[in-house]
Amino acid sequence: NAGVTQTPKFQVLKTGQSMTLQCAQDMNHNSMYWYRQDPGMGLRLIYYSASEGTTDKGEVPNGYNVSRLNKREFSLRLESAAPSQTSVYFCASSEAPHNEQFFGPGTRLTVL
Amino acid sequence: QKEVEQNSGPLSVPEGAIASLNCTYSDRGSQSFFWYRQYSGKSPELIMFIYSNGDKEDGRFTAQLNKASQYVSLLIRDSQPSDSATYLCAVNRDNYGQNFVFGPGTRLSVLP
Repeated sequence: NAGVTQTPKFQVLKTGQSMTLQCAQDMNHNSMYWYRQDPGMGLRLIYYSASEGTTDKGEVPNGYNVSRLNKREFSLRLESAAPSQTSVYFCASSEAPHNEQFFGPGTRLTVL
Repeated sequence: QKEVEQNSGPLSVPEGAIASLNCTYSDRGSQSFFWYRQYSGKSPELIMFIYSNGDKEDGRFTAQLNKASQYVSLLIRDSQPSDSATYLCAVNRDNYGQNFVFGPGTRLSVLP
């Protein structure tokens, strides 16, 4: 079991470029999440998916879009990257009843 | 008032001592409570969760929950230098994943 995997591990973008962060889980979890983690700000939820075909905005959704491709995969897209999106991005998944979340290894993104 | 509060630390304890990490939360209706460990440059790793008042033990770790006081703690017995990390408290305000709120974390340093 790989758990939650994310690609890429590192990425450098120029302002205005676009990219997609990929996430996959093999734990058969229904719920998946995208977070960003910034120094002094903690983990903040960007988007959430309760099940295949559904997505909801979290605390900081502006500038991002997501796709829940199937039960395993949940991708995060930056359409026009901005320096404020420089961060570490984590994908997580969970399952009822308590929804303890399991995290992927993260993507460190720098936008110049 | 922030939803989940933790002392940022660093909390320093000598090797072999008990480390006590504290967390308070503001939503009295919160259902379940989680402790994560995060090493520098790595993703959060679930240590344990608790949802009933009282203590829950798992190896060297004990989680304590007091819903009346809106307080949850994590005790680490026989602390080791390898326990040096940031510890994140998370609260699930209901049993749905999108209402998971993370605290800012407490940095623990175990001194040899």
